[in-house]
Order: sequence, then structure tokens, then C-alpha cells
Amino acid sequence: NAGVTQTPKFQVLKTGQSMTLQCAQDMNHEYMSWYRQDPGMGLRLIHYSVGAGITDQGEVPNGYNVSRSTTEDFPLRLLSAAPSQTSVYFCATSRGGNYGYTFGSGTRLTVV
Amino acid sequence: DQQVKQNSPSLSVQEGRISILNCDYTNSMFDYFLWYKKYPAEGPTFLISISSIKDKNEDGRFTVFLNKSAKHLSLHIVPSQPGDSAVYFCAASSRDQGAQKLVFGQGTRLTINP
Repeated sequence: NAGVTQTPKFQVLKTGQSMTLQCAQDMNHEYMSWYRQDPGMGLRLIHYSVGAGITDQGEVPNGYNVSRSTTEDFPLRLLSAAPSQTSVYFCATSRGGNYGYTFGSGTRLTVV
Repeated sequence: DQQVKQNSPSLSVQEGRISILNCDYTNSMFDYFLWYKKYPAEGPTFLISISSIKDKNEDGRFTVFLNKSAKHLSLHIVPSQPGDSAVYFCAASSRDQGAQKLVFGQGTRLTINP
């Protein structure tokens, strides 16, 4: 039982490149989210999904795309990487209600 | 505007004593509050939560207090142990905005000294 798996763990991109951060869960949770963590800013919500086929924007969605074709997977796409997207990215899942989120171990992304 | 604020970036406490971490919020629609603990190179892990209908929730060494009139919550850890050294985030959500849209504070780094 892996929980929430994020790949890759580390990535360095050049400005303008695109990439996809992968998130997979085996807990059959309906809710999934992407957060970014920056020093002094806490965690900020990028996009979230309340079920397969349903996604919505969070607090800082610009420059990111998501899709949710299955319950298990929720990839985050950077279309054209910018240095401002240098951050640690966390995927999280929840079964809803007031159960809170289970977080993955994160992807550390550097854009140069 | 920061809806959830943790005004102390760091806190140092002696082992065995009480650790008190504070969190303030501005959005009166928040009705559920959570604390997460984060070690380096790991994702945050859920610690304890409280609903706005309560003013206290206990789980072992951890107690969360909620003062709705002051829009303030605190996490008490008694007694503090070296393994408690981590970054602690408070988070809040509201039923209206979607219970899964958590808003996090900036975090407080807690160091427990032997």
C-alpha cells in the first residue's frame, strides 16, 4: 500500500521547457490536490479535483494545467517553465468530508 | 492577503516542557481547522483537527484550542520530545468554499532542545 506516490523527486528545468509532475494514489480517494510550498508562504493550492473528470483552480493556478481521467492519477503540467515556478510541489488526497489530506513526499523543482 | 497566519517563524523549547504554537485567521467562514507536522524532505502529515463547534480537542500529548471570537487557535504539546522537532502548519477550510480547499499558514519551525 504505497499511499500517494509522486514522481520525480527532483527535477531541473530550463526556462521555457515543459514537464509533467506525476501523482498516483492507491487509497481510492475522490479528492486530490496540488500544492506548492515556498519559504515564508506556507502551502498554496494550485489545482484540485473532487473526482474523475472534475477539476478546478486553486489560489495560484497560472502556468499550470491538470486533468483527472482516473481516480488514481492527477498529473500537474507546466506548460512553459519560469523561474518563479521553482518550488516544492506536493500532491495530496482525501476521502472527503473533514478527513483532511494525505500528502505525497514532494517534488523539488528548480527552473533555471 | 494571508487568511491564515502563523506569526512565529520559529520556536525553541526544552525537552519535557510545553510547546505552544499559535495560529490566527481572518476569514470568519472557516469552520474546520487542522494542524500538520512536516519533517525535512517529507510531505506534511496530519496531526490533529478541530471543528468550529468545539473549543478543544485532545489526542495524547497534543491538544488544540480554538477561540472563535479572537479567531485564534493554538496547539499545545506536553511534554515536548526531541521527535517533535519539525515544521508545524495550521490550516483552515470552510464548508462554503469546499472543505477540501485548505488554506495554510506559513509554518512554525519547532526545535526541542535536550
